[in-house]
Amino acid sequence: DAKTTQPPSMDCAEGRAANLPCNHSTISGNEYVYWYRQIHSQGPQYIIHGLKNNETNEMASLIITEDRKSSTLILPHATLRDTAVYYCIVGIIQGAQKLVFGQGTRLTINP
Amino acid sequence: NAGVTQTPKFRILKIGQSMTLQCTQDMNHNYMYWYRQDPGMGLKLIYYSVGAGITDKGEVPNGYNVSRSTTEDFPLRLELAAPSQTSVYFCASRGDRQETQYFGPGTRLLVL
Repeated sequence: DAKTTQPPSMDCAEGRAANLPCNHSTISGNEYVYWYRQIHSQGPQYIIHGLKNNETNEMASLIITEDRKSSTLILPHATLRDTAVYYCIVGIIQGAQKLVFGQGTRLTINP
Repeated sequence: NAGVTQTPKFRILKIGQSMTLQCTQDMNHNYMYWYRQDPGMGLKLIYYSVGAGITDKGEVPNGYNVSRSTTEDFPLRLELAAPSQTSVYFCASRGDRQETQYFGPGTRLLVL
């Protein structure tokens, strides 16, 4: 079973920041938080990952709470192309890296 | 770089038929994975491989077989297709020192 809890759906206005929450209260010390997204029925696409520090890349920012029990993915200026299902996953980064996907959050960006 | 390619894109099978889903990657990745995704659900890991000649079961391996004779290819075999295997199948790969998995476009399988 997935070790994360996400809201099933969210809406956001185009041009605004989209903030997607994720709870992972049973995360272990060596587990990372990953975010992937899936647009329509395409293969999932990696967005960002982090261990305990906040991370930012060209796609998004990841804010992890100090106790690491929850995190937020931020898309700073959402566009219509960001409409997708977003998956928050926790797991060990090295070795086999067997990802466990939950049902994710369906994010709809509205014009 | 084509990345991860999968064939076929779509296939209809009759119950009891067999088929092989093909997956190829051109990134020289040692790690390869097969996932299935049922409607409205997240992906579930079927099998994975950590290198040529080495494979292991994931969460839902029953009804499937895999082999890994080369670094590039990781075919998934269905021996006796059942309606429960109707799903979208995704292949993914990852390099040894990479944190991310790269996914193929998927194969949509319908078993009737």
